[in-house]
Amino acid sequence: NAGVTQTPKFQVLKTGQSMTLQCAQDMNHNSMYWYRQDPGMGLRLIYYSASEGTTDKGEVPNGYNVSRLNKREFSLRLESAAPSQTSVYFCASSPLGQGEGYTFGSGTRLTVV
Amino acid sequence: AQKITQTQPGMFVQEKEAVTLDCTYDTSDQSYGLFWYKQPSSGEMIFLIYQGSYDEQNATEGRYSLNFQKARKSANLVISASQLGDSAMYFCAMREGYSGYSTLTFGKGTMLLVSP
Repeated sequence: NAGVTQTPKFQVLKTGQSMTLQCAQDMNHNSMYWYRQDPGMGLRLIYYSASEGTTDKGEVPNGYNVSRLNKREFSLRLESAAPSQTSVYFCASSPLGQGEGYTFGSGTRLTVV
Repeated sequence: AQKITQTQPGMFVQEKEAVTLDCTYDTSDQSYGLFWYKQPSSGEMIFLIYQGSYDEQNATEGRYSLNFQKARKSANLVISASQLGDSAMYFCAMREGYSGYSTLTFGKGTMLLVSP
């Protein structure tokens, strides 16, 4: 099915371990985003990529890095995981423009112990 | 100051009744967009409805309508004839400016429970 695919769906890490969350979209969207969702906090933007070749920090970028590998793929890396990074991570994409909503992936539930 | 405020942590409604979920926003931009998303217990984020700041008519999508009051900076979601499947978390979000470089800012959400 067309849309945004995130892998993995679930992950448990030990403090200090690293991992990369993968995201790919097949809708030819220009912009891609990573959000984290914590209870009572809504969704907060970690990083985004307005177009291929560009990335920018969002509201909560500390402890994360991103790579816009090509137009389809946008990965999120945790270099040294911390318990505070336990969260549900959503990748999203959108075409350029004002009126289009984001298409979200199904999320990755990450637990850091 | 929060850019998106949803003051109702939880709402209860009976099946077939209408319900209004509140959302107020804060922006100094003239051009902006307002969105509502639904997140059922399965976790996915589902886009429901969009309202542009220059749109004169309130947006409607099936049973969903957005009550846009620009002077009050409110963008309430109205669900008519609630169904059990409407039980979910609902998020209001805003995009400021007219550019692909603007991003969505989300409120903290309102949990809606629909009872039989």
